[in-house]
Amino acid sequence: IAGITQAPTSQILAAGRRMTLRCTQDMRHNAMYWYRQDLGLGLRLIHYSNTAGTTGKGEVPDGYSVSRANTDDFPLTLASAVPSQTSVYFCASSDSGASGANVLTFGAGSRLTVL
Amino acid sequence: GQNIDQPTEMTATEGAIVQINCTYQTSGFNGLFWYQQHAGEAPTFLSYNVLDGLEEKGRFSSFLSRSKGYSYLLLKELQMKDSASYLCAVRDSNYQLIWGAGTKLIIKP
Repeated sequence: IAGITQAPTSQILAAGRRMTLRCTQDMRHNAMYWYRQDLGLGLRLIHYSNTAGTTGKGEVPDGYSVSRANTDDFPLTLASAVPSQTSVYFCASSDSGASGANVLTFGAGSRLTVL
Repeated sequence: GQNIDQPTEMTATEGAIVQINCTYQTSGFNGLFWYQQHAGEAPTFLSYNVLDGLEEKGRFSSFLSRSKGYSYLLLKELQMKDSASYLCAVRDSNYQLIWGAGTKLIIKP
């Protein structure tokens, strides 16, 4: 089934530990995104990539890094996790281009708890 | 700053009609989106408006007025499965999506 796969589904992590959230898509979408979703707030963009080999910072990039070595994969790394990074993380993808809807397709999410 | 406002929660009755409003103040406008998100699941696309007027898609319709910075999502013949959060998002002049906090819709029998 075409779509986006995220792993892990859920993780409890000690503060200070390093963690990588994995994201893989099989739709050949050029653009990929990482969002975090917190209660009472809208989705906030962490990092994005418009095409393989390029990345950009979103609204809340501090404490996170990404890479885009190929079209399909877009991992998000927390170098040293802090409790404020407790959240639900969604990976998404879309066809790139300045025109048209460019609808986002989301993964199922990764629930991360930092203690 | 950029801002998207929508009600936090709404309650409606099965079979009825409900209108979820969204007002926005953004740096430019390049389209407005509505997504549905069931609890514990990913958001899924519902509708896209870039021109003023009403877009109808089955039981769901979305309206846009760019001059008023206003949109609404209209859900008809409500079903229990429509219980979900509805997210409004606007694409700004930099083609970045600005998201509202979402409206939790509770459907009662």
